[in-house]
Amino acid sequence: DVQMTQSPSSLSASVGDRVTITCRASQTVSRFLNWYQQKPGKAPNLLIYAASSLQSGVPSRFSGSGSGTDFTLTISSLQPEDFATYYCQQSFRAPTFGGGTKVEIK
Amino acid sequence: QVQLVQSGAEVKKPGASVRVSCKASGYTFTSYDVHWVRQASGQGPEWMGWMNPNSGNTAYAQKFQARITMTGNTSITTAYMELSSLRSEDTAVYYCARSYNWNYPDWGQGTLVTVSS
Repeated sequence: DVQMTQSPSSLSASVGDRVTITCRASQTVSRFLNWYQQKPGKAPNLLIYAASSLQSGVPSRFSGSGSGTDFTLTISSLQPEDFATYYCQQSFRAPTFGGGTKVEIK
Repeated sequence: QVQLVQSGAEVKKPGASVRVSCKASGYTFTSYDVHWVRQASGQGPEWMGWMNPNSGNTAYAQKFQARITMTGNTSITTAYMELSSLRSEDTAVYYCARSYNWNYPDWGQGTLVTVSS
């Protein structure tokens, strides 16, 4: 299995901050990397697919970059509704997800 | 709009089986694979496998290979996931998801399966 490692596992930030979350794959996944946001008691919500493509309806403050084994999700200006847990998922081989990054209010 | 509506919460004893259903609407059911993902409390999601509603073809994660079955009924646009030989570690929320190029833009609301004696 391809192991996905996210860092940090949690972070505290303020509204308006720029936030960066990283995801590293144990082997290359090319650009087959997706990002999700999950709020408590809800299903994950697709934000970014194919490493950098913004899913329809997702605000443009979310962006993704990277290829191979190293990827980044950036929130350019954190909004109150962005406090949640974020997961990366590779779809190059049998899908696997990262352990998550919880974004909390500072 | 796409909707995936899952069956309700289940409580099962160790060794039993559980079947979770996923009723799809708002899209052509036979045109997209349905994947199943589970999530234990406080953990990241875990992929379990997929089913093609048109052909009935399936593929399962190796971890579940021996005790999982995914099926579909196209006449009622419903997908099913059955997991047998349940143990306490199977306690989790189980999700169905519509797959689009192996990412998941649409999810069911989740079904909590609790395994307890």
